[in-house]
Amino acid sequence: DGGITQSPKYLFRKEGQNVTLSCEQNLNHDAMYWYRQDPGQGLRLIYYSQIVNDFQKGDIAEGYSVSREKKESFPLTVTSAQKNPTAFYLCASSPGQAHTGELFFGEGSRLTVL
Amino acid sequence: QQQVKQSPQSLIVQKGGISIINCAYENTAFDYFPWYQQFPGKGPALLIAIRPDVSEKKEGRFTISFNKSAKQFSLHIMDSQPGDSATYFCAASKKTSGSRLTFGEGTQLTVNP
Repeated sequence: DGGITQSPKYLFRKEGQNVTLSCEQNLNHDAMYWYRQDPGQGLRLIYYSQIVNDFQKGDIAEGYSVSREKKESFPLTVTSAQKNPTAFYLCASSPGQAHTGELFFGEGSRLTVL
Repeated sequence: QQQVKQSPQSLIVQKGGISIINCAYENTAFDYFPWYQQFPGKGPALLIAIRPDVSEKKEGRFTISFNKSAKQFSLHIMDSQPGDSATYFCAASKKTSGSRLTFGEGTQLTVNP
């Protein structure tokens, strides 16, 4: 089945540690996105990538980094510079820049910083 | 800057009732308005969407009403069922941004049996 796979589903880390969240898609989509979800704040865009080897900052990129070396993969690193990293992280994809429409989401990764 | 404002934050409805969630936007360049449904522990999934050339779109029990002059749109769930209990997000995007969506804050809907 085609879809988006995020891992791990749950992650616990100590303060000051970098963590990397995995996102893989087999939908052959060009564009991929990372959103952060906090209660009462909706989904906020962290980074997005319209094509391999290119990505742009979203609305809350500080303290995060990404790479897009392969079309199907878009990992997110939460660095120690992120002041409040505990959140639910969602990866999504869409066919591409020319397409204004549906985002396909993974099931999310819940990060808890102790 | 919150470009899409959603209300209410939470909503409790009896089975068979009508659930209404409202959104307002600021950017007149927005031209695509989807609603997403999210169950606990899952990612959001597209429920229904509308473009500004129509004032209403209906799919089964779900209807979007769109008021371009007021810059508002709303989701109506008719004959609400306990299985509709979820968090609902409105969103908006503009043609030049592709599928980069700006989301509202979300509404947690509870439908009591």
